[in-house]
Order: sequence, then structure tokens, then C-alpha cells
Amino acid sequence: DAGVIQSPRHEVTEMGQEVTLRCKPISGHNSLFWYRQTMMRGLELLIYFNNNVPIDDSGMPEDRFSAKMPNASFSTLKIQPSEPRDSAVYFCASTPDRAKNIQYFGAGTRLSVL
Amino acid sequence: DQQVKQNSPSLSVQEGRISILNCDYTNSMFDYFLWYKKYPAEGPTFLISISSIKDKNEDGRFTVFLNKSAKHLSLHIVPSQPGDSAVYFCAASAQNSGGSNYKLTFGKGTLLTVNP
Repeated sequence: DAGVIQSPRHEVTEMGQEVTLRCKPISGHNSLFWYRQTMMRGLELLIYFNNNVPIDDSGMPEDRFSAKMPNASFSTLKIQPSEPRDSAVYFCASTPDRAKNIQYFGAGTRLSVL
Repeated sequence: DQQVKQNSPSLSVQEGRISILNCDYTNSMFDYFLWYKKYPAEGPTFLISISSIKDKNEDGRFTVFLNKSAKHLSLHIVPSQPGDSAVYFCAASAQNSGGSNYKLTFGKGTLLTVNP
């Protein structure tokens, strides 16, 4: 099993540009989570999906952030337009319904917005 | 308002000794607790968990203790090894809270350094 796969691993962009982060969950996992990690706030849940449907997006900071899950094997997190304060490490995690509390994380995408 | 708090940003111990990492929570709805371990440039990996119906769970060198009345849990690693050096995150969920029972709330982490 390849685990949760995130791309790109690193992204450097300029303020105002659109950024798209990608995630492939573990095959057979029903739930997918997007987190943001910063020094100030730690690991924050942004949004999670169950069976491709967004369940809770209360952690999405503002309208510049959007997430989609068009199918069970792919999700995107988009920031448009990006701002320097969006610089962080973004993690994707997935979990099967049979062990829903144990989330499996990808290696993360380190985003730098200049 | 932080619902899960890890008040020690870092901890340093000698190889072979015990490491004790602490975590406090404020939300009385939390009923399932987990510890994750994170190495640099990697994602967090699940280490051990405990349900609120228990006060102790052990897995090899790792033991988690839960004190519900104090809203406190701790992770004991004994004996500590240099390979245990990592950031440890405490996390909590409210399994019986209905629609949000998939959510984990994380502490900010404690950096453990085990010196040879």
C-alpha cells in the first residue's frame, strides 16, 4: 500500500497566484481530511469529506480556500488568490470507516507564498 | 481557545530512561484519545490510542494513561531510544457527538529528543 500521496511536496508561489494542492487517499478509505500546520496554530482541520461529500468545512479560513473530491481517489485544495499568511504545511489524511479515529497522513505539501 | 493542550514544547531525556509526555484537554465530550509521532519532512503517524472507558493502554514500550477527572493523559516511553526523537502530538475526538465524530483535535506537539 502506497499510503496517502500528496503533490507537490513543495510549492513556492507569489502572492495573488492560484495554488492547487493534490491528494490521493489510501484505496478503500472512505474519509479524507485536509489539515494546515503552522507554528502559531499547530495542526488545524480545514475540511473533511466522507464518501466524497464535504461533511464539515468549518475550518476553512475564508472564501479564498476551496476543496473538492470528485471521486474516491482524488481531492484538491485550492487557494485563490494566495497570500503570504497562507504559508504553511498542508497535510491530507484518510481513514476507513472501520477505524475512523485512526487517520493516515500524507507527507504534506510545504507552501511558501512570497 | 485550545481544546487540547501540550504545555511542554520540548523534552530531552537520556537513552534508556523514561520519557513522559503530557496532554490536557478541556472538552468533556472527548471520549477517544490518540498519540501521533512525527519525524521531520514526514506526516504524523499513529502511535497508540485509548478510549475513555479505559485508564491505561499499553503497546510494547509505549503506554498511555488517561485521567478523566483531571482531563489529562500522558504517554510513557520506556526505555527511550534515540529513534524515538520526534514531535509527539496528542489528539482527541468525540466519537458520540453525531456528525462530527470523525474529527480529531490536535495539540501543538512536544519535541522529544533522546540523547545517546
